[in-house]
Amino acid sequence: TQLLEQSPQFLSIQEGENLTVYCNSSSVFSSLQWYRQEPGEGPVLLVTVVTGGEVKKLKRLTFQFGDARKDSSLHITAAQPGDTGLYLCAGPGANNLFFGTGTRLTVIP
Amino acid sequence: DAGITQSPRHKVTETGTPVTLRCHQTENHRYMYWYRQDPGHGLRLIHYSYGVKDTDKGEVSDGYSVSRSKTEDFLLTLESATSSQTSVYFCAIGQGHRETQYFGPGTRLLVL
Repeated sequence: TQLLEQSPQFLSIQEGENLTVYCNSSSVFSSLQWYRQEPGEGPVLLVTVVTGGEVKKLKRLTFQFGDARKDSSLHITAAQPGDTGLYLCAGPGANNLFFGTGTRLTVIP
Repeated sequence: DAGITQSPRHKVTETGTPVTLRCHQTENHRYMYWYRQDPGHGLRLIHYSYGVKDTDKGEVSDGYSVSRSKTEDFLLTLESATSSQTSVYFCAIGQGHRETQYFGPGTRLLVL
């Protein structure tokens, strides 16, 4: 099993603050995906990073894939209440996708 | 939306009874997956299918069986439900393990 550890597990911040969440593994992944899951719904893909050192931006969200392809981070600038949700990273194994346990983010208006 | 539905959305059952959850897609994706989501464990793969009548076990397959007789439908069966199978079950579809997975809305199952 390729373990993906996410930190912090929970994060509660005020609207307008910046934050970073992390996804770490001892295994090398060919790519990593980030999903966001809102209460009562299934996860939805935000981005896939495929190259070591890659940085991708999606509006106020910045995703980085580590040089060694073992870790990734998600930085949110000026968080908004609409960013509230569970953020999951996922990496492909031989036959399936492994998911981290997630970071539950709450943005307080 | 990826055109994926799950039924039922909520179910309460008793220990020892059989339960079948249905996943239906309209996207003609080759791969279909069943996950369970529990606090502290994230999403864990139960079974997946890579084509009609082609299925394989995931990380937590004990106590579960699946069937895929048509491209559109993937059934998850709990032959004899136990309280440890109380969870939220998600179906997902995709074109491969490295590709995007599209998730259904989930089924919340409570086994008393």
